Amino acid sequence: QVQLVQSGAEVKKPGSSVKVSCTASGGTFSSYGISWVRQAPGQGLEWMGEFNPVLRASNNAQKFQGRVTITADKSTTTVYMELRSLRSEDTAVYYCATEGRLMNFEIWGQGTLVTVSS
Amino acid sequence: QSVLTQPPSVSGAPGQRVTISCTGSSSNIGAGYDVHWYQQLPGTAPKPLIFGNTNRPSGVPDRFSASKSGTSASLAITGLQAEDEADYYCQSYDTSLSGYVVFGGGTKLAVL
Repeated sequence: QVQLVQSGAEVKKPGSSVKVSCTASGGTFSSYGISWVRQAPGQGLEWMGEFNPVLRASNNAQKFQGRVTITADKSTTTVYMELRSLRSEDTAVYYCATEGRLMNFEIWGQGTLVTVSS
Repeated sequence: QSVLTQPPSVSGAPGQRVTISCTGSSSNIGAGYDVHWYQQLPGTAPKPLIFGNTNRPSGVPDRFSASKSGTSASLAITGLQAEDEADYYCQSYDTSLSGYVVFGGGTKLAVL
C-alpha cells in the first residue's frame, strides 16, 4: 500500500515562501488525488487544495487563491505545495493525504511543521 | 468558525457510550454530500474512522459507528476505552464555497 512521506520541518521569515513535498512510497499517485490539509497549533483541520493526477491540474480553496500552488513531478511520485507571502498565521502542520472516491482522505502523510517567525 | 459545527468537547467513563454531532447546512450535508470522520491522537496525523457516512475502514473496531440525517451527522462510540481519548473531526463537501472540502472544528473526547 502507498505510504506518504513528507519533507522536513521548515522555519521561514514573514513574506517568504515555503515548498513542502509529499512522496509516494511503495507506489505512485497515478490513481489518487492528493489534497493538502493544514492544522495551526491547537486548532482544527483546514483544507487548502488538491492535485488531480489524471487531469494534472490543481484546485485550491478560495482562501488560498493566489497564494498556494500545488504541483507534481512528471512521474507523479511527488506532489508539492508551495505557499507564498507567508505570515505568522501560516504557522501550522501541513499534511498531504490521498483522496478516496467519496472525497474522503484515506492515507495521510506524517505532517510537516512550518514555522513563520521573524 | 468552521462550516460544520461540532461540540468542543465530550466525555464519558470507560465502558459508556458517547456521541459526537456534526451539524451542517443545505450546501453541504443537507445537499446529500457524504460525511467522513477522523480520529486524531495527540501529535499524530488524522486517522480515517468512518467514510461514506457509515462505513468503517478495515481495522476500525465496530465500537465506532456513524449516521447521517438531514443536515447533520453523528459519530457514536460504545464501550469507551482509555485509548479512545483523542480529537474527532467530521468532514464533508460544500458547494457554497465553489466546491470545497470542509471540516468540523473538532471535538475533544475525554475518557474519565
